[in-house]
Amino acid sequence: DAGITQSPRYKITETGRQVTLMCHQTWSHSYMFWYRQDLGHGLRLIYYSAAADITDKGEVPDGYVVSRSKTENFPLTLESATRSQTSVYFCASSWTIHNEQFFGPGTRLTVL
Amino acid sequence: EDKVVQSPLSLVVHEGDTVTLNCSYEVTNFRSLLWYKQEKKAPTFLFMLTSSGIEKKSGRLSSILDKKELFSILNITATQTGDSAVYLCAVVSSRDDKIIFGKGTRLHILP
Repeated sequence: DAGITQSPRYKITETGRQVTLMCHQTWSHSYMFWYRQDLGHGLRLIYYSAAADITDKGEVPDGYVVSRSKTENFPLTLESATRSQTSVYFCASSWTIHNEQFFGPGTRLTVL
Repeated sequence: EDKVVQSPLSLVVHEGDTVTLNCSYEVTNFRSLLWYKQEKKAPTFLFMLTSSGIEKKSGRLSSILDKKELFSILNITATQTGDSAVYLCAVVSSRDDKIIFGKGTRLHILP
């Protein structure tokens, strides 16, 4: 199916564990983004990527790692999860940095 | 520090009313401003504005940008219960390719 997908949709993990959230898009968009959304903060950019093998930090990158070996995939890894990383995570993609972004369905992550 | 401020934070109106949502920004090297609608899922795109004074319109929704005064408004006329959502404003800066979202306006339409 065409579009942007995220997996898993829901994840519960424990403090200190490594967690990887997956994002896959079928449009061959150049840009991909990871956001977290928390009450009172709106959407905050974690990392973004302009193309394969090019990634840049956003507003809140600490505690997260990304990679982009293929254009269509942009996984986000929490190397050692903390309770403060409990959030809803959205992946998005777009053709350019300033055009509309297409968002995935989100992953709700709970860190106990 | 770059920032995007939306107002009001929440709004409750009756079906049929007209609402105006505000987005003001202080961003270095402004490039574009985008509006999104978020129901109980992922945000969906509404409008992108880059030029001052040009209204973008789609059905009952319209938006305009004022680059001199650094704000945009989103108007919704003849509101319906399906317009209930969080409306997000995002500004893109060409300096560092930065994207900043406002905290959103939560709109609730009463039948």
